[in-house]
Amino acid sequence: NAGVTQTPKFQVLKTGQSMTLQCAQDMNHEYMSWYRQDPGMGLRLIHYSVGAGITDQGEVPNGYNVSRSTTEDFPLRLLSAAPSQTSVYFCATYSAGEFYGYTFGSGTRLTVV
Amino acid sequence: AQSVTQPDIHITVSEGASLELRCNYSYGATPYLFWYVQSPGQGLQLLLKYFSGDTLVQGIKGFEAEFKRSQSSFNLRKPSVHWSDAAEYFCAVVPRYKLSFGAGTTVTVRA
Repeated sequence: NAGVTQTPKFQVLKTGQSMTLQCAQDMNHEYMSWYRQDPGMGLRLIHYSVGAGITDQGEVPNGYNVSRSTTEDFPLRLLSAAPSQTSVYFCATYSAGEFYGYTFGSGTRLTVV
Repeated sequence: AQSVTQPDIHITVSEGASLELRCNYSYGATPYLFWYVQSPGQGLQLLLKYFSGDTLVQGIKGFEAEFKRSQSSFNLRKPSVHWSDAAEYFCAVVPRYKLSFGAGTTVTVRA
């Protein structure tokens, strides 16, 4: 099925552990982004990429790293997990050819204890 | 800096009644505007979007939204709410690539 695939769907980490949230798309969209969703705060942009090899910071980048070596993949790395990173994470893609047609993944629910 | 404001955190509406969700934006030019819906435990689904032209936009599930430039608003409406409309609704704007979201409005539907 075409779309945005996020793995894992659920994850529990201990404080200080590292992990990578995966995001893969098969729509050849240039733009990919990561958001976190917290109650009462909507979705906030963590990092985004406008193409392979190009990444930039969003509103809340601290504690997260990204890379974009291919068009298809945009992993989000938590270097040293903290309880404040407990959240639901969404990956979203966009193609200029679809004129701001954002497509969201189904989300990863992360708990840091 | 641009921002999106959804003044109502929570709205309760009776099934069959009308619904209006408010959204105001602060941006130097007319941005691209969106409404998304998120059911519990689910991802985000696009309800409708506005880029230009007719200021009344029709979306899926019987929703519509009206863009009012003078009020910097993009309010979402539905004439008759169904129990399945209980969800969280997000207004969003695009000031160049990056989708910026409001804090969301939770809609509860009572029988």
